[in-house]
Amino acid sequence: GQQLNQSPQSMFIQEGEDVSMNCTSSSIFNTWLWYKQDPGEGPVLLIALYKAGELTSNGRLTAQFGITRKDSFLNISASIPSDVGIYFCAGQNSGYSTLTFGKGTMLLVSP
Amino acid sequence: NAGVTQTPKFQVLKTGQSMTLQCAQDMNHEYMSWYRQDPGMGLRLIHYSVGAGITDQGEVPNGYNVSRSTTEDFPLRLLSAAPSQTSVYFCASRMGQQLHFGNGTRLTVT
Repeated sequence: GQQLNQSPQSMFIQEGEDVSMNCTSSSIFNTWLWYKQDPGEGPVLLIALYKAGELTSNGRLTAQFGITRKDSFLNISASIPSDVGIYFCAGQNSGYSTLTFGKGTMLLVSP
Repeated sequence: NAGVTQTPKFQVLKTGQSMTLQCAQDMNHEYMSWYRQDPGMGLRLIHYSVGAGITDQGEVPNGYNVSRSTTEDFPLRLLSAAPSQTSVYFCASRMGQQLHFGNGTRLTVT
């Protein structure tokens, strides 16, 4: 099946720093999604990307759908302690097809 | 709206015991799914359903059964628990491409 390589596995940064994480795939996806999981909770959708080359922002978060449709990145600017959690990328091909998740990036932010 | 509700939150089983993890959603979503989350493995799809009466296998279905008799409920059954099934289990429902996750059930099999 399709696999997503998500990197880095973990990051430990100081409050105020910018963060970047990415996902690559051996095959193309038509939709890329980024989720965040707070400790003890289920993942929540942050950003959805539907078109190759698309750049979308949600507050301090910016995500891009790679032009080859095989990759995506997520940037977080001016990190704050509540950004702590696990960030997952996910790819989907179409409609009601299943989502393929990356293994996640654990982000720790030091005040 | 409660969204996706999972029960129980925590469970400890002995090897060989059976149990059912409950999942209910009140958003009238047709699509529901079960994932397990293990350290370093991300979220892996166990089973999913595109509507009442229809279920299908995901990436890691062995050792788990599901049924979908109503739109609202999608229980996950472990017939004979094994230590390898120690994990955090998430139920999710979907309309379009946005998955809504429950808060998980942490299962330990000893």
